[in-house]
Amino acid sequence: QKEVEQDPGPLSVPEGAIVSLNCTYSNSAFQYFMWYRQYSRKGPELLMYTYSSGNKEDGRFTAQVDKSSKYISLFIRDSQPSDSATYLCAMRHGSGNTGKLIFGQGTTLQVKP
Amino acid sequence: ETGVTQTPRHLVMGMTNKKSLKCEQHLGHNAMYWYKQSAKKPLELMFVYSLEERVENNSVPSRFSPECPNSSHLFLHLHTLQPEDSALYLCASSQAGSPTGELFFGEGSRLTVL
Repeated sequence: QKEVEQDPGPLSVPEGAIVSLNCTYSNSAFQYFMWYRQYSRKGPELLMYTYSSGNKEDGRFTAQVDKSSKYISLFIRDSQPSDSATYLCAMRHGSGNTGKLIFGQGTTLQVKP
Repeated sequence: ETGVTQTPRHLVMGMTNKKSLKCEQHLGHNAMYWYKQSAKKPLELMFVYSLEERVENNSVPSRFSPECPNSSHLFLHLHTLQPEDSALYLCASSQAGSPTGELFFGEGSRLTVL
């Protein structure tokens, strides 16, 4: 079983739709949860960061962590064509292993005008 | 130049060639990484250097050889590669000990092994 599972998609939605991206994980020691966005021909960039359980909102983006279910989500409201990218979930332990992230395989999102 | 820069952006090499990938970070970070990104697979951590000392080597074949001469520069020396090594190689940097451990990635070097 992979430590982090993420549906690779592709996911295609019309402009303005609400998008839900998800990852499941198996290691209950993970405490730091991140979403990276990767545009075509670019490196990943950090989009959202959450520590432990709960929600975090930033503009049109909301990150949710449910540690009891080992499940994290990224919601995008009012999706725009500029949101078309690959979204990578990532997580790490809270033991000071800075930077040793475990990544999902990424979900490719296309938002059609 | 700002952020993390990687050269070359594209590289085609034969299985008997020797080449090197270069990474430079302008963020003042003290940790640098090499990741391999293959289609439909998660990012694979290859090497980590913290304060110029290699602290992670994830069972990477010896045909990949990293070098970190200082905290701003990182190289990946390639020798006798196989076609399955074709992938996007991403360099990243971070500040060891930061609360988020955020990685800052370069744009990658696309490697094709013939």
